[in-house]
Amino acid sequence: GQNIDQPTEMTATEGAIVQINCTYQTSGFNGLFWYQQHAGEAPTFLSYNVLDGLEEKGRFSSFLSRSKGYSYLLLKELQMKDSASYLCAVPRGGKLIFGQGTELSVKP
Amino acid sequence: GAGVSQTPSNKVTEKGKYVELRCDPISGHTALYWYRQSLGQGPEFLIYFQGTGAADDSGLPNDRFFAVRPEGSVSTLKIQRTERGDSAVYLCASSLTHMGAGSNYGYTFGSGTRLTVV
Repeated sequence: GQNIDQPTEMTATEGAIVQINCTYQTSGFNGLFWYQQHAGEAPTFLSYNVLDGLEEKGRFSSFLSRSKGYSYLLLKELQMKDSASYLCAVPRGGKLIFGQGTELSVKP
Repeated sequence: GAGVSQTPSNKVTEKGKYVELRCDPISGHTALYWYRQSLGQGPEFLIYFQGTGAADDSGLPNDRFFAVRPEGSVSTLKIQRTERGDSAVYLCASSLTHMGAGSNYGYTFGSGTRLTVV
């Protein structure tokens, strides 16, 4: 919705690194959020970027380029429990607008 | 409370019936949001409250949907004359303040109500 685009699904191997991309409409930019959602559960906050660059938080890092309208979530040392949907979201008009989510499957 | 609480967790109703879904936000959170999520999709915005008033109800799909938050805390989403297409997970979230410019206040989501209209 509202021009937030993410790949629908990705598959990766346990122990590997995976990058999940998100592109968004740049007008009125107020930061970008990443959420993780396991099947049947509520989305949980992962990261928030408002300035360009990479922010690292343990095995997860998030990158932002405001001029390109582009962000990615980098997951290192993948574990089976990382299998989930990853949602990119931007604030617009006082609320968060979400992308469709990227379903990540981690295989042994 | 410690988290956002939604009740019921599951609701099965017959087509044409009326349903109410309840959300109890985190104490002190002034902003409350309702979203709907279909399988394989991201959450779709419905309505948000800042205090007692609906600040933005542009996501409500039609006039069968209505939400209230009379005392600025608990909110109820009401759906009249339910249709099979209303089947989805209804998520509620709260935050300290609304998602304004430069806000880094992420949402805290409840676990959702899975509504099935048969």
